[in-house]
Amino acid sequence: QSALTQPASVSGSPGQSITISCSGTSSDVGGYYYVSWYQQHAGKAPKLMIYDVSNRPSGVSNRFSGSKSGNTASLTISGLQAEDEADYYCSSYTSSSTWVFGGGTKLTVL
Amino acid sequence: EVQLLESGGGLVQPGGSLRLPCAASGFTFSNYDMSWVRQAPGKGLEWVSGISVNGYTRNYADSVKGRFTISRDNSKSTLYLQMNSLRAEDTAVYYCAKIRTKTIDYWGQGTLVTVSS
Repeated sequence: QSALTQPASVSGSPGQSITISCSGTSSDVGGYYYVSWYQQHAGKAPKLMIYDVSNRPSGVSNRFSGSKSGNTASLTISGLQAEDEADYYCSSYTSSSTWVFGGGTKLTVL
Repeated sequence: EVQLLESGGGLVQPGGSLRLPCAASGFTFSNYDMSWVRQAPGKGLEWVSGISVNGYTRNYADSVKGRFTISRDNSKSTLYLQMNSLRAEDTAVYYCAKIRTKTIDYWGQGTLVTVSS
């Protein structure tokens, strides 16, 4: 199972919006609505930010939103804040009853 | 509050074995599928293995198939990962993870496994 494809890095200034893409195949991202996004600060465990493509867990800011078109999912963070600086990973359930992650995207808040 | 506490990590020689337990609390462990996910130093996340609520269904990443075994003890609310024939490329932080409807929703803090001579 090949990893999902994410950009290695993105950046934005405070208050701006950024979007991170996550490309897969019809066997994962394109075939299921079980796409999730995780935030990981350095030295910490990942935290669920978006599940089922576009749903936010309780307690996650509404500045975070998700979407999907075909085999590509996207995470958008609006109103960037310094605390958003972290690594972000997408994940999808697959047709093999396994999970696959993206390679991760480092977000820098300028 | 959901808590997942991994232990058992450490330094092991290539070819050696380790068993990682993960103690779960704050939810009804027997009602949820569980997984292990790892992260090599400075690298991304890699799903390793998953197990169904009753333990009957177990899946593995190709990279660990035949060497790692996932299991669970619902009476003790504990998940396990038995790792045999360890290789240098298995060096990583291993996370225990809870699954809700095909989503990994909670993660433990991880335990570091280092495979080196």
